[in-house]
Amino acid sequence: AQSVTQPDIHITVSEGASLELRCNYSYGATPYLFWYVQSPGQGLQLLLKYFSGDTLVQGIKGFEAEFKRSQSSFNLRKPSVHWSDAAEYFCAVGVPSGGYQKVTFGTGTKLQVIP
Amino acid sequence: GAVVSQHPSWVICKSGTSVKIECRSLDFQATTMFWYRQFPKQSLMLMATSNEGSKATYEQGVEKDKFLINHASLTLSTLTVTSAHPEDSSFYICSAESGSSYEQYFGPGTRLTVT
Repeated sequence: AQSVTQPDIHITVSEGASLELRCNYSYGATPYLFWYVQSPGQGLQLLLKYFSGDTLVQGIKGFEAEFKRSQSSFNLRKPSVHWSDAAEYFCAVGVPSGGYQKVTFGTGTKLQVIP
Repeated sequence: GAVVSQHPSWVICKSGTSVKIECRSLDFQATTMFWYRQFPKQSLMLMATSNEGSKATYEQGVEKDKFLINHASLTLSTLTVTSAHPEDSSFYICSAESGSSYEQYFGPGTRLTVT
């Protein structure tokens, strides 16, 4: 079965600083990979996804992620964080399952942005 | 495009009563819908997967008689929490997959509080 590990439960960065959120997955093949953001009390918004091709993926809000097969990682990055980026970030893995895609989420990383 | 709505956004009910939560895909037909549960400060846990017109597939440990799922049409799925108890209090999030893309679109969630 697939699994996702987000080793950082909580991260604090200064506004304007760069950001990297870590994500490692476990799966026998290359899965579909996602990053979602969740603001308090809200649903999930897709930041970016990787299915195949270029391993550097650009997403919304200035985020990007790089798939590294050798490290089973899909880390999320942003060069300059804005206060509005404070939220919970979830990495997720999708694998084929009976005609649809079963998505497994990591435990999330809560991002705090300080002035 | 690809908007998923949930209703209600929050509900308070008394212990022993049943509560129905609706999930609708507003601008696409959802071949598959998913129901997740999220405990405070935790990740999303898949409860069940449903396809239009067929019985839902429940994840291990999820009581199918307690969490009734009906996927009545390609745009509507409902989750009914029967004989709710305080431990059922949680944030319930649905998602929908169109079948043409391996991506799930998430609803804004429903906060259920059982008193």
